[in-house]
Amino acid sequence: AQKVTQAQTEISVVEKEDVTLDCVYETRDTTYYLFWYKQPPSGELVFLIRRNSFDEQNEISGRYSWNFQKSTSSFNFTITASQVVDSAVYFCALRNSWGKLQFGAGTQVVVTP
Amino acid sequence: EAGVTQFPSHSVIEKGQTVTLRCDPISGHDNLYWYRRVMGKEIKFLLHFVKESKQDESGMPNNRFLAERTGGTYSTLKVQPAELEDSGVYFCASSQDGQELETQYFGPGTRLLVL
Repeated sequence: AQKVTQAQTEISVVEKEDVTLDCVYETRDTTYYLFWYKQPPSGELVFLIRRNSFDEQNEISGRYSWNFQKSTSSFNFTITASQVVDSAVYFCALRNSWGKLQFGAGTQVVVTP
Repeated sequence: EAGVTQFPSHSVIEKGQTVTLRCDPISGHDNLYWYRRVMGKEIKFLLHFVKESKQDESGMPNNRFLAERTGGTYSTLKVQPAELEDSGVYFCASSQDGQELETQYFGPGTRLLVL
């Protein structure tokens, strides 16, 4: 069975601080895909990144960076120099070769000025 | 290009009533998914269409839920009769193909409240 754990329910930071969101996953598949989605207060789920199980290269996109480590089954997400607009719920998700996503419970990020 | 759209954005109904949710996927996307998030819980998969066919409906909670995708375009999800525990946010997502590199793009969700 697949499982995604986001142990942090809520993280509060002051603007310009860095914030790291943890994601730990479980799967028996050798090929799988990991995702991060952002849900701002407006409610929609916004796709941020997809990572394949055979590609452990970390990725940086602007103020966002992702650290994928198969050895610890983790796919952590860091926001550098946080801004108020980063306030949202962030979901980590796992998918096998095709089909449904298995989501974590989400982490609420609150960035205050 | 328009994203995934869902209608209505909110729905408040009484227990026992019927509600129909609609999802319009991104044009050209053969894959359409329904998910829901019940208050305080995780986002859970409901079912997956490939064009008009149900590829996977393992997440449908019971036979009060009926999903259709006639013609392989938009989809409807009907709840009849609605129960209190059906309250939550219903998300629709679509993807271009079923290949391994697919990414699902989500709509804004329909917030359903059953009183």
